[in-house]
Amino acid sequence: NAGVTQTPKFQVLKTGQSMTLQCAQDMNHEYMSWYRQDPGMGLRLIHYSVGAGITDQGEVPNGYNVSRSTTEDFPLRLLSAAPSQTSVYFCASSTRRQDLSSYNSPLHFGNGTRLTVT
Amino acid sequence: KNEVEQSPQNLTAQEGEFITINCSYSVGISALHWLQQHPGGGIVSLFMLSSGKKKHGRLIATINIQEKHSSLHITASHPRDSAVYICAVRSSGGGADGLTFGKGTHLIIQP
Repeated sequence: NAGVTQTPKFQVLKTGQSMTLQCAQDMNHEYMSWYRQDPGMGLRLIHYSVGAGITDQGEVPNGYNVSRSTTEDFPLRLLSAAPSQTSVYFCASSTRRQDLSSYNSPLHFGNGTRLTVT
Repeated sequence: KNEVEQSPQNLTAQEGEFITINCSYSVGISALHWLQQHPGGGIVSLFMLSSGKKKHGRLIATINIQEKHSSLHITASHPRDSAVYICAVRSSGGGADGLTFGKGTHLIIQP
């Protein structure tokens, strides 16, 4: 049971380069999201998806693209990297069915990608 | 947009102490999550609650909907509890889960 798998773990890019951060989940979750985490700030939503074929922008979408061709995969693309995109990126997934009677949360995170843009 | 405030920002305590971390939010929510982020960076969900209290092991989470406030308690704290604890609230709009996150409380438990 892998949960949410994020790759790569670390990446260094030069300004202007492009890359794709991969995210895959094997729990058949409908909801998937990408967040960035910067020092002194809470996690901020970049893009999200409520199901295959459906994506929408979050709080900080500029410079990023996403697609959701399957339920399992939700890649995040940086088209032309900028130093302001240096951050730690987290992918998360959850199910639409929220069982509030259980103690734990249905929210699952990947292990994060530490991206540096020089 | 919901504003989420956590206190304290940093907390250092001795092993065995009772720990309380607070979370306040500005508008009504449908659920509140408590998350734990270890020094290695991974984020783990601890609780999701919409009313009352939940307990798992040495962790207790409470929420007061009327006062828009939640607390996370750790009993008999241990150095392995050292981590950043993050509160997130789910309100309408704002993404698949509609989550707004606090900045986190950095907890250090000294032996």
